[in-house]
Amino acid sequence: GQNIDQPTEMTATEGAIVQINCTYQTSGFNGLFWYQQHAGEAPTFLSYNVLDGLEEKGRFSSFLSRSKGYSYLLLKELQMKDSASYLCAPSSGNTPLVFGKGTRLSVIA
Amino acid sequence: GAVVSQHPSRVICKSGTSVKIECRSLDFQATTMFWYRQFPKQSLMLMATSNEGSKATYEQGVEKDKFLINHASLTLSTLTVTSAHPEDSSFYICSVGRDRGTDTQYFGPGTRLTVL
Repeated sequence: GQNIDQPTEMTATEGAIVQINCTYQTSGFNGLFWYQQHAGEAPTFLSYNVLDGLEEKGRFSSFLSRSKGYSYLLLKELQMKDSASYLCAPSSGNTPLVFGKGTRLSVIA
Repeated sequence: GAVVSQHPSRVICKSGTSVKIECRSLDFQATTMFWYRQFPKQSLMLMATSNEGSKATYEQGVEKDKFLINHASLTLSTLTVTSAHPEDSSFYICSVGRDRGTDTQYFGPGTRLTVL
């Protein structure tokens, strides 16, 4: 089975940096996905970490520690359009992803 | 990535009727597609795995006679909600797995079902 823990809600100011943490427990682990989901829309792929460390992709970066069962998504230079839910999903291989409730981020002016 | 479409995007129906939702993989032949359901402010819940040319695999607690899945071709899977009730009102999303070596999933835009 899987256990995914993320904060339910976060609020941050436009232009700031925010870090969304995710801890997980899973039997079998290949890597960790982050998806973004705007209200009323389907999730979109953000990142996939397999190796330990930080991977940067523009304003978004994702970090993974396999030994600690921990990941975070770092969003820089926040924009209003970044208000969305961010879903952390550990992957055990070629199976459908299981998602937690996600973190609802509100960006305020 | 993969391009996935769903039709319709929104549907309103009366209680007791059936509704069919289509999921198409537009640029990739998908032997497997996944169907999720999401209630407001809840997580995506996997309903079933749709397998081309064979029966779908349903998750525990999902009634296969109520949620009929047909994956007749490599680009089309359909989900039919039979005898819909107001509690079936939800956001239904399909996804396709494409990238070899990973299980990255690409989602369709979703279908908002409202049962009156």
